[in-house]
Amino acid sequence: AQSVTQPDIHITVSEGASLELRCNYSYGATPYLFWYVQSPGQGLQLLLKYFSGDTLVQGIKGFEAEFKRSQSSFNLRKPSVHWSDAAEYFCAVGFSNDYKLSFGAGTTVTVRA
Amino acid sequence: EAGVAQSPRYKIIEKRQSVAFWCNPISGHATLYWYQQILGQGPKLLIQFQNNGVVDDSQLPKDRFSAERLKGVDSTLKIQPAKLEDSAVYLCASSSVAGSHETQYFGPGTRLLVL
Repeated sequence: AQSVTQPDIHITVSEGASLELRCNYSYGATPYLFWYVQSPGQGLQLLLKYFSGDTLVQGIKGFEAEFKRSQSSFNLRKPSVHWSDAAEYFCAVGFSNDYKLSFGAGTTVTVRA
Repeated sequence: EAGVAQSPRYKIIEKRQSVAFWCNPISGHATLYWYQQILGQGPKLLIQFQNNGVVDDSQLPKDRFSAERLKGVDSTLKIQPAKLEDSAVYLCASSSVAGSHETQYFGPGTRLLVL
């Protein structure tokens, strides 16, 4: 069965420090990969996506993610977090045989001053 | 460009009551999705429409949930009767191109509490 795992439920990071959120998937073929962010009371906003090509993807708000086929991973990174980055982050995977998205359970990021 | 609109934003009902949620997608978007997001979990797709036809409703509990998208524009999701486990945020999303992984744009959601 296809699945998406975000191993970290909650991460606390200091403002200005770097951030890395992990995402692993299980699927036999090359997936379509997404990272979404959800601020409290808001809908999900797309940060970035990977379909093919360069495995390092740049997104909005200074985020980037790297697809590593050998590790079935698509980790999200930001070099220096801002207080406004406090939110919940979801990794999602789409598959070539249909166009549904499967979401991970999410990682909540807290930013301390 | 206006985003995806949803109403109401919050709803509290008692179990066995009925409830309906409304979604107006981004103008011109052919594909509309309803997701259920239970606290502590990621969104789960309930139903996907392409224009006014259902593409996928395999995870919709059809004994109590129904959805329609008349005229291929806005959509309504109904629960009748509601159960305690239906407490969740119901998210609507839309995308411009059917049959692809075009970006899905999400509305703010309707938070439902069933007592």
